[in-house]
Amino acid sequence: ETGVTQTPRHLVMGMTNKKSLKCEQHLGHNAMYWYKQSAKKPLELMFVYSLEERVENNSVPSRFSPECPNSSHLFLHLHTLQPEDSALYLCASSAGTGVGEKLFFGSGTQLSVL
Amino acid sequence: AQKVTQAQTEISVVEKEDVTLDCVYETRDTTYYLFWYKQPPSGELVFLIRRNSFDEQNEISGRYSWNFQKSTSSFNFTITASQVVDSAVYFCALSERGGGTSYGKLTFGQGTILTVHP
Repeated sequence: ETGVTQTPRHLVMGMTNKKSLKCEQHLGHNAMYWYKQSAKKPLELMFVYSLEERVENNSVPSRFSPECPNSSHLFLHLHTLQPEDSALYLCASSAGTGVGEKLFFGSGTQLSVL
Repeated sequence: AQKVTQAQTEISVVEKEDVTLDCVYETRDTTYYLFWYKQPPSGELVFLIRRNSFDEQNEISGRYSWNFQKSTSSFNFTITASQVVDSAVYFCALSERGGGTSYGKLTFGQGTILTVHP
């Protein structure tokens, strides 16, 4: 069992649906991340939170809305997505946000947008 | 230009063969870190190694070894006597502050799919 848990593991949604991805870390870390992994593309950093404050929004469209209510939980709210948003969404956490921090990843949510 | 380049998209070997995964990076920072992660079919990325820019010593951990060469900006990963359980996607990554960010940004290569056949 990893220290970072993501739910659901799989999600299928229509373009007009609203859904949320959930991430929980049990490592006592202060930073959390959302990454997007599309087929044949490098992992793309989406958002970074440090002590519940967003420190990075990597030019992500507004149809993706993150929420970090505390240092252990991170959500990604989805609405009016496009088929090209289908991907594996990975959550990660780290002790801090300095250079060289080791990230611990969850197993991801495989999202399919129809 | 890509910051982290993994030249091999896919590699296929037979069990017990040695295999090297290449990684070339690009940065203007003098302080940076390099990582290798493994992604098995279950999906989560598993940390393998971290190296800082001031430590060019090669490292060996069991069947895994890493060759860091600043002169060529490379951080290659070798698996000796490969096993079927080594089949996974392997990612090289660079952590730097660069670009004026307030945090250490981890940038991944495209990954190398390694398949080890029995």
